[in-house]
Amino acid sequence: AQSVAQPEDQVNVAEGNPLTVKCTYSVSGNPYLFWYVQYPNRGLQFLLKYITGDNLVKGSHGFEAEFNKSQTSFHLKKPYALVSDSALYFCAVRDIGNNNDMRFGAGTRLTVKP
Amino acid sequence: DAGITQSPRHKVTETGTPVTLRCHQTENHRYMYWYRQDPGHGLRLIHYSYGVKDTDKGEVSDGYSVSRSKTEDFLLTLESATSSQTSVYFCAISAPDRGGTGELFFGEGSRLTVL
Repeated sequence: AQSVAQPEDQVNVAEGNPLTVKCTYSVSGNPYLFWYVQYPNRGLQFLLKYITGDNLVKGSHGFEAEFNKSQTSFHLKKPYALVSDSALYFCAVRDIGNNNDMRFGAGTRLTVKP
Repeated sequence: DAGITQSPRHKVTETGTPVTLRCHQTENHRYMYWYRQDPGHGLRLIHYSYGVKDTDKGEVSDGYSVSRSKTEDFLLTLESATSSQTSVYFCAISAPDRGGTGELFFGEGSRLTVL
């Protein structure tokens, strides 16, 4: 079955600096990859996804992610972090053609300090 | 925001009692899911539904059952709650079927505490 690893439980950055939240995946075939964000006491919100095509995917709120097939990674990035970006971030993966099972990573808590 | 409503939002119950969580959607989406969220585990799929009366098990289905009698409602039942089922439960729906490309839309969650 497909799986996702988020190697960092916590990422701390200063406001205005670039941020990266790491994600690696494992699938038997080609992956569909997703990033979600969760604010306190809320459900997850979709940020962006990679399905096919350009390896650099742009999403909402200035976030982007780069799909790297050779490294089986899908890191989330933003050039300038904001305090309001502080939240819990989840990477997720589906095998192509499998509409039924989206597997999530354990999550990375991002804290952006003023 | 996607029209997903979960109820109750908070519940405290005792070990051995039955509990039912409800998910209601107004989007008419075919796919609905129940996940649980626990620290260190992210979200894990309990059960999902791909249509009325069509359901299947997910990764952590033991101790849970589901029913879907209408497109808009997906119920999760704990027949006899245990302390290990203390968690936050999220319902999700999937955008129209595109072979797995659709992202999930989540409800606000139901926090369940089993004493």
